[in-house]
Amino acid sequence: EDKVVQSPLSLVVHEGDTVTLNCSYEVTNFRSLLWYKQEKKAPTFLFMLTSSGIEKKSGRLSSILDKKELFSILNITATQTGDSAVYLCAFTGANSKLTFGKGITLSVRP
Amino acid sequence: DTGVSQDPRHKITKRGQNVTFRCDPISEHNRLYWYRQTLGQGPEFLTYFQNEAQLEKSRLLSDRFSAERPKGSFSTLEIQRTEQGDSAMYLCASSLLVEAFFGQGTRLTVV
Repeated sequence: EDKVVQSPLSLVVHEGDTVTLNCSYEVTNFRSLLWYKQEKKAPTFLFMLTSSGIEKKSGRLSSILDKKELFSILNITATQTGDSAVYLCAFTGANSKLTFGKGITLSVRP
Repeated sequence: DTGVSQDPRHKITKRGQNVTFRCDPISEHNRLYWYRQTLGQGPEFLTYFQNEAQLEKSRLLSDRFSAERPKGSFSTLEIQRTEQGDSAMYLCASSLLVEAFFGQGTRLTVV
């Protein structure tokens, strides 16, 4: 059965720290991996990755996919309290359905 | 506002009652998804549509749950004979290509 595992489940850092969030997957007919950020309400889209080794970057956030080792990482540099959220990893397979991991709860302390 | 819209935002119901939620996707999006989320968990897939066709329904979903998207635009999710275990956030999302955009969700509390 297709699955995605995120680690760690939760993380506490101080403002200014750099964090790395992990997502590993086992998917038949893998098509893409997506990262979302969820604060109080709905998840908001961050990145979509389909090709191995190509980094996606947006400000202090960046993400990369390794299709050989079946994982992705999300990096956040110079963390701010506004980065506190749950970070969700999701994949699509052959049927384009989005399947989510449990999420990583990041807390950034002042 | 051209985002995904869900109604109602909150619903409190007594056990055994039926409830129906509505989702209006982004207008040009042909895919529409329903998810359920409980505290500490990621969104759990319930079902999804491409236009008006329901392509997949979670095997974990009981027969009390049904969804429709009659004209390929808005969708409804109905839960019959609600149970306390149905208490959760129900999220709707829509997509045109791959990345899905979520509504604010409907929080259901069954008492």
